[in-house]
Amino acid sequence: GNSVTQMEGPVTLSEEAFLTINCTYTATGYPSLFWYVQYPGEGLQLLLKATKADDKGSNKGFEATYRKETTSFHLEKGSVQVSDSAVYFCALSDRGSNYKLTFGKGTLLTVNP
Amino acid sequence: DTAVSQTPKYLVTQMGNDKSIKCEQNLGHDTMYWYKQDSKKFLKIMFSYNNKELIINETVPNRFSPKSPDKAHLNLHINSLELGDSAVYFCASSQGGISGNTIYFGEGSWLTVV
Repeated sequence: GNSVTQMEGPVTLSEEAFLTINCTYTATGYPSLFWYVQYPGEGLQLLLKATKADDKGSNKGFEATYRKETTSFHLEKGSVQVSDSAVYFCALSDRGSNYKLTFGKGTLLTVNP
Repeated sequence: DTAVSQTPKYLVTQMGNDKSIKCEQNLGHDTMYWYKQDSKKFLKIMFSYNNKELIINETVPNRFSPKSPDKAHLNLHINSLELGDSAVYFCASSQGGISGNTIYFGEGSWLTVV
């Protein structure tokens, strides 16, 4: 079956630091990959996605590249802000699973001023 | 203009009670979902409906019964609530059957069973 493994948190950074959250996946088919973000007390929002190998998803300064050879989709941001403090979820979907999202366990990011 | 809206947002209830959470989407999507987020933030799908038809049912106790009166609504009814049912329940929707389509989530319903 499908699975997503992302780095354990929590991650604590100072403002303007570089962020990497690692994500690797196992899928039976050819999945689409997603990063969702959950701000405190709120629901899930799509941050970015990529649907085929070597695609780069980007949004709000965050980027992630679909690497089929390493089955990875690491999230990066060059300079984090306090407002980026949230829980980040890596996820995948594919046809074999009826396009349901399979999530990683989430990584809590705290950015201090 | 909330795309996926669910009510109530907060619900505190006693063990053994029956409760419902309602969900509506105005995106014109044909597929709707219920996800459960536990206290450790882990998210797992419970159900998925496509055009009012159940397509995913992931080992959820029979006390949980989804109902989809039309493709814009997917309600979740829970019988005989237990302490372990305390969680955040997210409704979501997408245009199904298309690779890479975004799934849009509601703001969640925080259920506490006491």
